[in-house]
Amino acid sequence: DAGVIQSPRHEVTEMGQEVTLRCKPISGHNSLFWYRQTMMRGLELLIYFNNNVPIDDSGMPEDRFSAKMPNASFSTLKIQPSEPRDSAVYFCASSLNGGQGRRETQYFGPGTRLLVL
Amino acid sequence: QKEVEQNSGPLSVPEGAIASLNCTYSDRGSQSFFWYRQYSGKSPELIMSIYSNGDKEDGRFTAQLNKASQYVSLLIRDSQPSDSATYLCAVTLGTYKYIFGTGTRLKVLA
Repeated sequence: DAGVIQSPRHEVTEMGQEVTLRCKPISGHNSLFWYRQTMMRGLELLIYFNNNVPIDDSGMPEDRFSAKMPNASFSTLKIQPSEPRDSAVYFCASSLNGGQGRRETQYFGPGTRLLVL
Repeated sequence: QKEVEQNSGPLSVPEGAIASLNCTYSDRGSQSFFWYRQYSGKSPELIMSIYSNGDKEDGRFTAQLNKASQYVSLLIRDSQPSDSATYLCAVTLGTYKYIFGTGTRLKVLA
């Protein structure tokens, strides 16, 4: 069974350019999370989707960041325009959310290493 | 106060010893607790999950949860050099949020 798939694995771009990161969650999972990881701040939740609907985007740092989930098997995170401080590893994770109470395990994709020059 | 706190380390233990990793959390309503291992340059992978007070064992790993003290720990017995990694504690907050600690770097010395 395939895990969470992310592309590209590495992205180097120049300041001001648009960056689009892609994620395919595990089939059957109804929750999708985008995280950003840096040495200074660790893993930060950017946005959470449940059943393709954005539930919490309070972690999105600025209007330059946007995310979509047009269907259950695909999500994008877009940065426009990109800035050097956006350089980080961006992870997508998915889980099966059964509702209230116990939370199920999140499974992480391999991440996209973004470097903005 | 951070929602999930871990000692950043590095925690160095000799091969074959027990490594003890600790995590405290601030939300008394948290119900689910996870330990992830992250090798350098890789993504986090689940080691253990624990939901009830007490101990949960899986091979060389034991997770311990004390909700009254808001404390969760991970013990690694017979530590191996391949266990050298960063260990992330994750705690659920509310209905969907997973809050991660910044991780403890473990070094197992051969």
